[in-house]
Amino acid sequence: AQSVTQPDIHITVSEGASLELRCNYSYGATPYLFWYVQSPGQGLQLLLKYFSGDTLVQGIKGFEAEFKRSQSSFNLRKPSVHWSDAAEYFCAVGVRYNDMRFGAGTRLTVKP
Amino acid sequence: SQTIHQWPATLVQPVGSPLSLECTVEGTSNPNLYWYRQAAGRGLQLLFYSVGIGQISSEVPQNLSASRPQDRQFILSSKKLLLSDSGFYLCAWSFGRASGEQYFGPGTRLTVT
Repeated sequence: AQSVTQPDIHITVSEGASLELRCNYSYGATPYLFWYVQSPGQGLQLLLKYFSGDTLVQGIKGFEAEFKRSQSSFNLRKPSVHWSDAAEYFCAVGVRYNDMRFGAGTRLTVKP
Repeated sequence: SQTIHQWPATLVQPVGSPLSLECTVEGTSNPNLYWYRQAAGRGLQLLFYSVGIGQISSEVPQNLSASRPQDRQFILSSKKLLLSDSGFYLCAWSFGRASGEQYFGPGTRLTVT
């Protein structure tokens, strides 16, 4: 069955520390891969996407993600977290326009 | 550039009352449109999607319905709300005939009392 797993429900990091949010998927083929961010009470904003090519993709707000086919993973990273990065992060995967699946989300708290 | 609007932003409705949430997209033509419901700790659940006017596909049997009366307008409705309909409803769009990313509206917080 197709699925997306974000193993970490909640992560706390100190401001200035590095960040890695995990995402694993199970799909019959290599899907398109996305990371979104959601501030409280707001919609989702696209951070970055992977369709094909270079497995390290750069996104907005200093985020990057690496696609690892052998591990079926698409982890999100940022070298130095800012207090404004506190939000909920969603990994999403899809093959067709009508089958995008979202992980349950990881809530990021940033300590001063 | 494209923008997506949703209203109302918040809504409190009694059980058994009707519902109408509206979503409009500007700056693009023939988008795919989507309605999602978000429950705390459970990610997003796709409720409906539409690839054109009058074309609605339902993903989950429920108390809700959707309509697309115009190319860039998507409406989520219910005749009689249930307590379980409470949640955060998100509308999204994507470029038609593509498998690319979806762009989300600001959402509507619905509380059924």
